[in-house]
Amino acid sequence: GENVEQHPSTLSVQEGDSAVIKCTYSDSASNYFPWYKQELGKRPQLIIDIRSNVGEKKDQRIAVTLNKTAKHFSLHITETQPEDSAVYFCAASKTGTASKLTFGTGTRLQVTL
Amino acid sequence: EAQVTQNPRYLITVTGKKLTVTCSQNMNHEYMSWYRQDPGLGLRQIYYSMNVEVTDKGDVPEGYKVSRKEKRNFPLILESPSPNQTSLYFCASSLVQTGEQYFGPGTRLTVT
Repeated sequence: GENVEQHPSTLSVQEGDSAVIKCTYSDSASNYFPWYKQELGKRPQLIIDIRSNVGEKKDQRIAVTLNKTAKHFSLHITETQPEDSAVYFCAASKTGTASKLTFGTGTRLQVTL
Repeated sequence: EAQVTQNPRYLITVTGKKLTVTCSQNMNHEYMSWYRQDPGLGLRQIYYSMNVEVTDKGDVPEGYKVSRKEKRNFPLILESPSPNQTSLYFCASSLVQTGEQYFGPGTRLTVT
């Protein structure tokens, strides 16, 4: 089955700096790649997703890039703010939807003042 | 308000005592899923359902059962809970075609 590896497991950045989280996947048939943010004690929430027919997608300070050849995708957060502090999960699916998602193990992002 | 609800939110039980965690959504979503979240392991899918009476195993289905008799409800059943099922459980739903998945608030289960 699919295997998703996520790095780093923890990341500390200063407010205003950029943060990058990387994921690799094993199944070349995967075609849907969402990112979820989970604040402490809260439920995961979708923040951005990308499908395999697109190489990059942006939403304000957040962007995701996808390299199908290398089978990896990355989350980029620019101008980080304290409210960006959370655990971020990447995931992959080959159904084109949220069904049969395989998640990475998460990255704890800490934005310091 | 569009939402996914789970009950109970917290549960402490003993080994072998059957329990059910309920999940309900009011968004008319076809797709529903159960995950467990454990430290260092991320979210792992237990079971999912593409529509009424259609369910399938996820990555960690052993020791769990589900049913989908109505579109809005997707209960998770542990017929004989064991301590290794102590975890944080999330239910989620989405429209099949969009992929945006909405999670419930979570149920923290402790099996002693």
